[in-house]
Amino acid sequence: NAGVTQTPKFRILKIGQSMTLQCAQDMNHNYMYWYRQDPGMGLKLIYYSVGAGITDKGEVPNGYNVSRSTTEDFPLRLELAAPSQTSVYFCASSPPWGRNTGELFFGEGSRLTVL
Amino acid sequence: AQSVTQLGSHVSVSEGALVLLRCNYSSSVPPYLFWYVQYPNQGLQLLLKYTSAATLVKGINGFEAEFKKSETSFHLTKPSAHMSDAAEYFCAVSGGSQGNLIFGKGTKLSVKP
Repeated sequence: NAGVTQTPKFRILKIGQSMTLQCAQDMNHNYMYWYRQDPGMGLKLIYYSVGAGITDKGEVPNGYNVSRSTTEDFPLRLELAAPSQTSVYFCASSPPWGRNTGELFFGEGSRLTVL
Repeated sequence: AQSVTQLGSHVSVSEGALVLLRCNYSSSVPPYLFWYVQYPNQGLQLLLKYTSAATLVKGINGFEAEFKKSETSFHLTKPSAHMSDAAEYFCAVSGGSQGNLIFGKGTKLSVKP
C-alpha cells in the first residue's frame, strides 16, 4: 500500500528556475495539503485542496501554485525559484473533516535546495 | 485561532530515563490534539491522538499523553527512553473546517547511552 507518494525526493535548482513537486495518494482522500518545513519553525501550510478542482491558499502561498485535476494528484509548482524556498516540502492527505478526526497522512518529503 | 506551543526545542535524556515533552495549546473550540514523530530524513507519522474520548491516550512505541483541559496541556511521556526514540516530535491541534493541522515548532529528542 503506497499511501502518499512524493517525487522527487531531492532536487537542486538555480535561482529563477521553475519546477513541479509531484504528490499522489491512493487512499481516495478528498483533502490534500502541502506543507513546508524549515529548521526550528515546524510545518507551515502552503496550499490545500478539499477536492478535485478546488484549491485554496494556506499560511505561506507566495511563490507557489497548485492544481487539483484529479482526486489522486496534487502537484505543487514553484515559479522563479528563490533561495527562500530552500526547504523540505511535505504533501499530506486526509478524509473529509466530517468523517475523520483530523489525522493527516504524510509523504516522505521532497528536499529542495535553491542556489 | 488555534495554536500550540512546545516548550523546549531540544530535550536530552539518558537511555532508560523518563521522557517528557511539553505541549500547550490554545483553542476556541474543544480541540483534537496530536503528537507526530519524525525520524531523520523521513516524513511524519502519527504517535497518538486525542479526540475527546479518554483523557489519557496511549500511542505507539510506549508513548502516552494526557489531555488536561484546566492546564491547556497535552504533554507526551514515555517511562523509559530507548535509543530508537531519538527523533523530532511535533504537537499539533486541529485547525478548522479545512481540516489542516496547526503544528508546534517541534522538539528534538536526543537519547544518550
